[in-house]
Amino acid sequence: EVQLLESGGGLVQPGGSLRLSCEVSGFTFSRYGMSWVRQAPGKGLEWVSAISGSGGNTYFADSVKGRFTISRDNSKNTLYLHMNSLRAEDTAIYYCAKDSYGDYPRVFDYWGQGTLVTVSS
Amino acid sequence: QLVLTQPPSASASLGAAVKLTCTLSSGHSSYAIAWHQQQPEKGPRYLMKLNSDGSHSKGDGIPDRFSGSSSGAERYLTISSLQSEDEADYYCQTWGTGIVVFGGGTKLTVL
Repeated sequence: EVQLLESGGGLVQPGGSLRLSCEVSGFTFSRYGMSWVRQAPGKGLEWVSAISGSGGNTYFADSVKGRFTISRDNSKNTLYLHMNSLRAEDTAIYYCAKDSYGDYPRVFDYWGQGTLVTVSS
Repeated sequence: QLVLTQPPSASASLGAAVKLTCTLSSGHSSYAIAWHQQQPEKGPRYLMKLNSDGSHSKGDGIPDRFSGSSSGAERYLTISSLQSEDEADYYCQTWGTGIVVFGGGTKLTVL
């Protein structure tokens, strides 16, 4: 059974940093790309960032480019999102999602339950 | 610019069928999409990948009541024999090289 479990969310001040983690099981992690998708309160889904299965290629939405980085540790079956210079508009539930392909982000066939990030003073 | 447009709401009666629409922006009518369901207070769930020719491949455990079809730039999700648990937000999603786009979502109410 495929499982994705996010952690690391919480309350952070504007300008602060946070690292999210997503621990996965039930599939060969290194074969598949992974993404982070967020959902602001009462809003729709917004793709944030993706990483290829090997970790060699990363992709970012314009809204987070230069502030967020994505990485993965294939030996630990864990995906990370490093968030810097956080803004109030980054407040959202952050979901990790497994891609059905290994290269660039395309089809998200499994999702986690999300972790809430609140940026506020 | 790659954009997906969805009506914000839809409704249908228990036991009936409903057809949800997702429209691709001009110049992108050949793109495949994916449909995702998000029940209240839950994470999204993948339903299917839908190609421009209407062929589709569903996610694990998705009932036969869910099907997809395509016509030009329109992508459809049909849910038959509606059940109360189908009341949810439905999002379409597509991709370019290195980017992912979501539609705004359709909130489905089961009457």
